[in-house]
Amino acid sequence: DIQMTQSPSSLSASIGDRVTITCRASQSISSYLSWYQQKPGEAPKLLIYAASSLQSGVPSRFSGSGSGTDFTLTISSLQPEDFATYYCQQSYSTPRTFGQGTKVEIK
Amino acid sequence: QVQLQESGPGLVKPSETLSLTCTVTGGSISSYYWSFIRQPAGKGLEWIGRIYTSGNTNYNPSLTSRVTMSVDTSKNQFSLKLTSVTAADTAVYYCARETGTTGRALDYWGQGTLVTASS
Repeated sequence: DIQMTQSPSSLSASIGDRVTITCRASQSISSYLSWYQQKPGEAPKLLIYAASSLQSGVPSRFSGSGSGTDFTLTISSLQPEDFATYYCQQSYSTPRTFGQGTKVEIK
Repeated sequence: QVQLQESGPGLVKPSETLSLTCTVTGGSISSYYWSFIRQPAGKGLEWIGRIYTSGNTNYNPSLTSRVTMSVDTSKNQFSLKLTSVTAADTAVYYCARETGTTGRALDYWGQGTLVTASS
């Protein structure tokens, strides 16, 4: 199985801050990397696919980068509705695997 | 707009079989992979497996001895069976669509259903 490791596990930030979350794969996954946002009591929501493509309807303050083993999710200016948990997921091979999640909290 | 809805018992006795169905509306079930993912309370996401509309399946090796997925294209539904459940199988279970046009990401999700394994 491909292991996905996110960092940090949690972070505190203020409205307007630039936030960066990283995800590392245990082997190369090309660009088969997605990012999801999950709020309490809700299903995950797709934000970024193919490492850097913005899903339709997702605000442009979200962006993704990387390829191979190292990936980044950036929120350029944190908004109140962005406080949530974020997960990366590889779709290079089965079993699909997720990172452990990064909880973004209000400072 | 594609929508997914999980259905099935919310309570399953230990050693018995968990059965869930996911109904897809607003679009055809054909020509996609359909997945089940679960999430224990307060924990992360675990991929259970996926099924293509041809019936081809891939399962998580950690669960493969207990998991069976099936698809009914006439009803636009796919299903999950997990045998010999224990308390460790208590989780919110989600169904989701995987599409090649979004880098094989999971672009549509059901709202999730809580399944508790308890006597």
